[in-house]
Amino acid sequence: AQSVTQPDIHITVSEGASLELRCNYSYGATPYLFWYVQSPGQGLQLLLKYFSGDTLVQGIKGFEAEFKRSQSSFNLRKPSVHWSDAAEYFCACSSGSARQLTFGSGTQLTVLP
Amino acid sequence: GAGVSQSPSNKVTEKGKDVELRCDPISGHTALYWYRQRLGQGLEFLIYFQGNSAPDKSGLPSDRFSAERTGESVSTLTIQRTQQEDSAVYLCASSIGVANTEAFFGQGTRLTVV
Repeated sequence: AQSVTQPDIHITVSEGASLELRCNYSYGATPYLFWYVQSPGQGLQLLLKYFSGDTLVQGIKGFEAEFKRSQSSFNLRKPSVHWSDAAEYFCACSSGSARQLTFGSGTQLTVLP
Repeated sequence: GAGVSQSPSNKVTEKGKDVELRCDPISGHTALYWYRQRLGQGLEFLIYFQGNSAPDKSGLPSDRFSAERTGESVSTLTIQRTQQEDSAVYLCASSIGVANTEAFFGQGTRLTVV
């Protein structure tokens, strides 16, 4: 069965520092990968997605993610975090055969001034 | 409409009562998902509709939970005989139904069972 793991429940970084949020997936087929962000009291917003091609994808708000098939990972990165980035981040995946979107448990990001 | 619409936005109900939550997907979206998000936790898959195919109900936690969708239109999630552990935000999402496309989420319905 497909699964997505986000090993870090909570991450704290200082404003201006770099950020990496981890995501590992378990899929038999080529996955389609997504990162969503959920700000307090808000719905989920798509940050970026990977389908094929270049393994480094750019998203909104200065985020990027790199697909590494050998590590079954799709980690989210940002070179310099802003206070407004404090939110919960969810990794998700689907595949051609299993179109259902499966989510990880989320990583809560706290940004210190 | 422009986005996924869910109603009500908030619902407080007494334990043992039935509740019905509604989701209006984006027009033309064949896929529709329901998720549950308990306080401080991740998204728990409940049910997935794709066009006229049989829904994937594998995430429904008990037989008190059911959902319906007619064609590619509105979906309703019904919880019978609500329990306090049903308190959560119920999120609906829709997509055009192809695996490599994103899902668009509604704002959710916050259900509180007292």
